Amino acid sequence: EVQLVQSGAEVKKPGESLKISCEGSGYSFTTYWIVWVRQMPGRGPEWLGIIYPGDSETRYSPSFQGQVIISADKSISTAYLQWSSLKASDTAMYYCARVAAAATYYMDVWGKGTTVTVSS
Amino acid sequence: QSALTQPASVSGSPGQSITISCTGTSSDVGSYNSISWYQHHPGKAPKLMIYEVSKRPSGVSNRFSGSKSGNTASLTISGLQAEDEADYYCCSYGGYRTFYVFGTGTKVTVL
Repeated sequence: EVQLVQSGAEVKKPGESLKISCEGSGYSFTTYWIVWVRQMPGRGPEWLGIIYPGDSETRYSPSFQGQVIISADKSISTAYLQWSSLKASDTAMYYCARVAAAATYYMDVWGKGTTVTVSS
Repeated sequence: QSALTQPASVSGSPGQSITISCTGTSSDVGSYNSISWYQHHPGKAPKLMIYEVSKRPSGVSNRFSGSKSGNTASLTISGLQAEDEADYYCCSYGGYRTFYVFGTGTKVTVL
C-alpha cells in the first residue's frame, strides 16, 4: 500500500526549532515529488514548497521562502519540513502529499497531517 | 497569489445533486487544466476526487464529476450520500513560481 506517514503532534514555544517528517512507503520514494501544505484553523490549504527526493531539488512558495526549510533523506524515504525559530503564527496542521506523476500537478496520496502548536 | 474562491458551505438532501464552484483568475484556473479536487474528512488524510479538471481516479465514485469554464472550475456531486459530508478543496496549478493555489474550502452538509 502506498502511504505517507507523518510524525506526531508537536507543541513548542515561540523561538524554538522544529523538524517534522513524512515517510513514504509502498513506492519508489525517489521518483515522485513531495509537496508540503499548511492549513491554519478555519482556512484553506496553502502550498509551502515541493521537493524531489531523488536529487533534493526544492522549490518554495514565494510566501514561505526563507520561513521554512524543506529537505529529504532518500536513504530512509523521508521528507522533512523544518523551522529554525517558530512563531505563534506557525500554529497549523501541516500535510505532506505525493505529486502523482512527472509533468502533473495533482496530489494522489496524502499524509494524515502533523499538528504544530506554538504557544508560550 | 490569492486563494481560489469557494462557497463556504453547500448542503443538499440525500439523492440530490450539488455543485461547488471554484473561482480563480486568468493566471491560474483560466490558464491551466491542472485543476484537482480533494475531499477531507476531519482527522483523515485528504483524498483526491478529481484531477485535470474532470478525470476521476480509480476507486472514486462516478457520482463525482468536474468541469471548468473560463476562470471557474466546478465539482458536482450527484446522488448525494451521507458519506459525502466533508470539506472539499479545489486546487489549481498557478505557474512556475506559484505552483499550487488552493481554494478556500467548502463544507458539504447532507441534510
